[in-house]
Amino acid sequence: ETGVTQTPRHLVMGMTNKKSLKCEQHLGHNAMYWYKQSAKKPLELMFVYNFKEQTENNSVPSRFSPECPNSSHLFLHLHTLQPEDSALYLCASSQDSASGAGELFFGEGSRLTVL
Amino acid sequence: AQRVTQPEKLLSVFKGAPVELKCNYSYSGSPELFWYVQYSRQRLQLLLRHISRESIKGFTADLNKGETSFHLKKPFAQEEDSAMYYCALDSNDYKLSFGAGTTVTVRA
Repeated sequence: ETGVTQTPRHLVMGMTNKKSLKCEQHLGHNAMYWYKQSAKKPLELMFVYNFKEQTENNSVPSRFSPECPNSSHLFLHLHTLQPEDSALYLCASSQDSASGAGELFFGEGSRLTVL
Repeated sequence: AQRVTQPEKLLSVFKGAPVELKCNYSYSGSPELFWYVQYSRQRLQLLLRHISRESIKGFTADLNKGETSFHLKKPFAQEEDSAMYYCALDSNDYKLSFGAGTTVTVRA
């Protein structure tokens, strides 16, 4: 498998469930991102990890908890979500650059539905 | 804070006609601008970036710092250009901010 892989592709969960989204990149990049894509809204940056350290937490509610055990893997742990959290969650990676994020490589996304 | 605005949510053109997608940004520093594209059933991917100054699939975009714009243009649209296009701004701190996107439909 090459590129950025996200699992599961689809997830339906109740508000009291605990689930996790997984992202894996095979590009040798050292920065990884979680974005939220909702209908009719811009892509929202949620979390950024650079060299496994979280460098950005864009005022995301604590019911979303990221984890980056190494530069190739990124998780998004979900707990007691709300129906408005239903969205497409996109993972991306990029290579560290002195000038910023550079080109982002995206996964296909995990479609989350909260009942 | 940086912000990216794409004023058109939908854009419909005929095949062979010119197409222009508007993007305006607000940022106090020196920005790096990108256009990303998402074709049907495909993942979001980079189309072009302003620093490379190249034409990709016939598309070009010029950064106009005076007007704070980075409009995407193609002189002759093709049916395969139908997609969702996102303008994005990199403020050099790993925060890539996206616009709301423009859906382009090219009709035969």
